[in-house]
Amino acid sequence: DAGVIQSPRHEVTEMGQEVTLRCKPISGHNSLFWYRQTMMRGLELLIYFNNNVPIDDSGMPEDRFSAKMPNASFSTLKIQPSEPRDSAVYFCASSFSSANEKLFFGSGTQLSVL
Amino acid sequence: AQSVTQLDSHVSVSEGTPVLLRCNYSSSYSPSLFWYVQHPNKGLQLLLKYTSAATLVKGINGFEAEFKKSETSFHLTKPSAHMSDAAEYFCVANSGYSTLTFGKGTMLLVSP
Repeated sequence: DAGVIQSPRHEVTEMGQEVTLRCKPISGHNSLFWYRQTMMRGLELLIYFNNNVPIDDSGMPEDRFSAKMPNASFSTLKIQPSEPRDSAVYFCASSFSSANEKLFFGSGTQLSVL
Repeated sequence: AQSVTQLDSHVSVSEGTPVLLRCNYSSSYSPSLFWYVQHPNKGLQLLLKYTSAATLVKGINGFEAEFKKSETSFHLTKPSAHMSDAAEYFCVANSGYSTLTFGKGTMLLVSP
């Protein structure tokens, strides 16, 4: 298995532009998580899906952020419009049933908003 | 509400010496506890997991952690550090259905 696949690995964009981050979870996993990591705030859960349905999006910073999971093998995190303070590493993770099981993390997307 | 406190932001050891990374948690319920490791430019990888079966948990790469309810601690240890252990380590708690609470992380530095 290739593990959790995220793309792109690096994204550099200008303030105001739309950014879309992509994630392919491990086949058979039915829980998917989006995390943001910064030096100041550490790892923050943004949103959590179970069986493609958003369960907890309380960590989504504001309306500029949106996430979708149209099917079991694909999820996107979109920022529109992007701002410099959105610069961070965004991780996608999946697990077999819930967060109480082992999480498998992707390699992350390093986002820089200029 | 639950919280996880990693007491040291950085720990420096020499290769071959013991490693101790400290973690305290607070939770209204008996939590599941995890340690994850993050190598540079990589995602997090599970080291070990505690779910009340045994208080001493053995993980990968020679790491282990002991759950002490009286001290609300879950410290990570390794008898002898290796250069490849240099990474950031996260203590994580889950006392609910879905969300995990991550500590701020401890950077382990290993010198020759």
